[in-house]
Amino acid sequence: DTGVSQNPRHKITKRGQNVTFRCDPISEHNRLYWYRQTLGQGPEFLTYFQNEAQLEKSRLLSDRFSAERPKGSFSTLEIQRTEQGDSAMYLCASSHHLGPKNIQYFGAGTRLSVL
Amino acid sequence: SQQGEEDPQALSIQEGENATMNCSYKTSINNLQWYRQNSGRGLVHLILIRSNEREKHSGRLRVTLDTSKKSSSLLITASRAADTASYFCAGNNDMRFGAGTRLTVKP
Repeated sequence: DTGVSQNPRHKITKRGQNVTFRCDPISEHNRLYWYRQTLGQGPEFLTYFQNEAQLEKSRLLSDRFSAERPKGSFSTLEIQRTEQGDSAMYLCASSHHLGPKNIQYFGAGTRLSVL
Repeated sequence: SQQGEEDPQALSIQEGENATMNCSYKTSINNLQWYRQNSGRGLVHLILIRSNEREKHSGRLRVTLDTSKKSSSLLITASRAADTASYFCAGNNDMRFGAGTRLTVKP
């Protein structure tokens, strides 16, 4: 499977714990995006990388959230001191800056439940 | 803030009917994209229309774009139960999505 891969698919955690999600983009895609989606809503943009550089961060991305893409390949999204409001689906997408007009390819997402 | 705003929020039709959903956006775009999301899955790109195009077809999909009104529409003809999903639009410049249109096609 050469699509965007996200792990884990599901994560249940207790309030106050830290969680980390991983996204493996399509190989050779140099752009990587993180979104958060709650039930009945569209994906909310969180941040995006071009290669290893984090070029944009949404104001939604509080200090408890941090994303990295150390080698310009896979990315991690960490949430510290989780709160119940962090419960959502976290989606990752990738694209190539030379690809057809920024078409994004999405992973299946990581569903986070904070108890 | 969200860039794309889809309308209606929900649409329920019978198999074989056509489904039309609309999208309004706020800032200038180079192209507008439509995506589909099946329940519990990621989004899948459907079709892209460039800012200098007014209409585009792909199979049973027809997209129109009116840059003067900052709006687009997606028409799905001869709908099938498998078209049941949420549909989102986004301008390429910042890829912000609205709440989507939830389409239900009844067999």
